[in-house]
Amino acid sequence: DAGVIQSPRHEVTEMGQEVTLRCKPISGHNSLFWYRQTMMRGLELLIYFNNNVPIDDSGMPEDRFSAKMPNASFSTLKIQPSEPRDSAVYFCASSFPGLAGSSYEQYFGPGTRLTVT
Amino acid sequence: ELKVEQNPLFLSMQEGKNYTIYCNYSTTSDRLYWYRQDPGKSLESLFVLLSNGAVKQEGRLMASLDTKARLSTLHITAAVHDLSATYFCAVDNQGSQGNLIFGKGTKLSVKP
Repeated sequence: DAGVIQSPRHEVTEMGQEVTLRCKPISGHNSLFWYRQTMMRGLELLIYFNNNVPIDDSGMPEDRFSAKMPNASFSTLKIQPSEPRDSAVYFCASSFPGLAGSSYEQYFGPGTRLTVT
Repeated sequence: ELKVEQNPLFLSMQEGKNYTIYCNYSTTSDRLYWYRQDPGKSLESLFVLLSNGAVKQEGRLMASLDTKARLSTLHITAAVHDLSATYFCAVDNQGSQGNLIFGKGTKLSVKP
């Protein structure tokens, strides 16, 4: 398996522009997570989906952020309009909780490094 | 609310020395995970601990879990420079369908 795939790997944009980050989870995984990592705030969970349904979006910083998972193999995280403080590395991770008592190990993608100028 | 605390947050070691990183968590959970992150890279799974008393070892790293004490340790034996990285522990947020609560990470620097 190719692992979790994220695109783009790097994104540089100007303040006010719309940014869309993409994620393809590992085939067969039914939980998907979006994280943001900065030096100041560390690793933060933004939102997660189970079976394509958003379960908890309490980590989404504000209305400028939105996430969708239209099917089991694709998710997007959109920032509109972007601001310099959104500059961070955004990770997508997936897992397969499976049967009770089994592992909830998350597999992380390579991340998207976003710079907003 | 489940909280996960790691200590120390920063660790500077000399090669050849032993040390332990601690991960405490605040509510009942019997599954704990350790991840490694190299600078500029993603998080990579190291160990999955699924029950009280679980012990896993790979190379110079050994992880253990005591669910009664709500404590996991990551022990480093005879450190080498290649172990320099940030290590995260994460705990199941039970009932949350797979959500993990991560510690802040321990940045390990191994110096010759």
